[in-house]
Amino acid sequence: DSGVTQTPKHLITATGQRVTLRCSPRSGDLSVYWYQQSLDQGLQFLIQYYNGEERAKGNILERFSAQQFPDLHSELNLSSLELGDSALYFCASSVGGQVSGNTIYFGEGSWLTVV
Amino acid sequence: ELKVEQNPLFLSMQEGKNYTIYCNYSTTSDRLYWYRQDPGKSLESLFVLLSNGAVKQEGRLMASLDTKARLSTLHITAAVHDLSATYFCAVFPSGTYKYIFGTGTRLKVLA
Repeated sequence: DSGVTQTPKHLITATGQRVTLRCSPRSGDLSVYWYQQSLDQGLQFLIQYYNGEERAKGNILERFSAQQFPDLHSELNLSSLELGDSALYFCASSVGGQVSGNTIYFGEGSWLTVV
Repeated sequence: ELKVEQNPLFLSMQEGKNYTIYCNYSTTSDRLYWYRQDPGKSLESLFVLLSNGAVKQEGRLMASLDTKARLSTLHITAAVHDLSATYFCAVFPSGTYKYIFGTGTRLKVLA
């Protein structure tokens, strides 16, 4: 158990809908990362927050948004869902946002199926 | 464009054999990470390599880093079935806050 908690574990929804994925980082970790893993795209970095502020953006679609709250939990909002958004969404956390980097620890992931 | 490439993408090997997975990256990175992922599961941290020439070993796995060549290797010694998984390397490009993962190497060890 990495200490990173993600909910829900599984989610099935229809195209055009909106969902919210939630992540609680490890105790003491200030940085939260979101990744999307699909069969054909591998593990894609979406976005990173540090202590409530957005720090880095990757290949995140405009239909997707995220935020980190004062209690450090984070939410990833996916809207106008398409079939291609079906994937495993991981949250990861680390101690700090410094440039040198620390090991990041992954949650169990949220399986999203869009039908 | 930043690239982190692993070679091979798929590897099927017999128990007891040795093999090496390669991770090439196209940018300066202060550190390199190796992770293991079992099917449908989370990613588990294996190694963090902090500097040029770093070598770390855990059981049948040994990882090394050559920052000048922008190359890391993950060597498997006398493979056993329990090592079957997908292995990812990841870099932390200098001056960024991103961890960029490689393409992954799916390893299958045959009994």
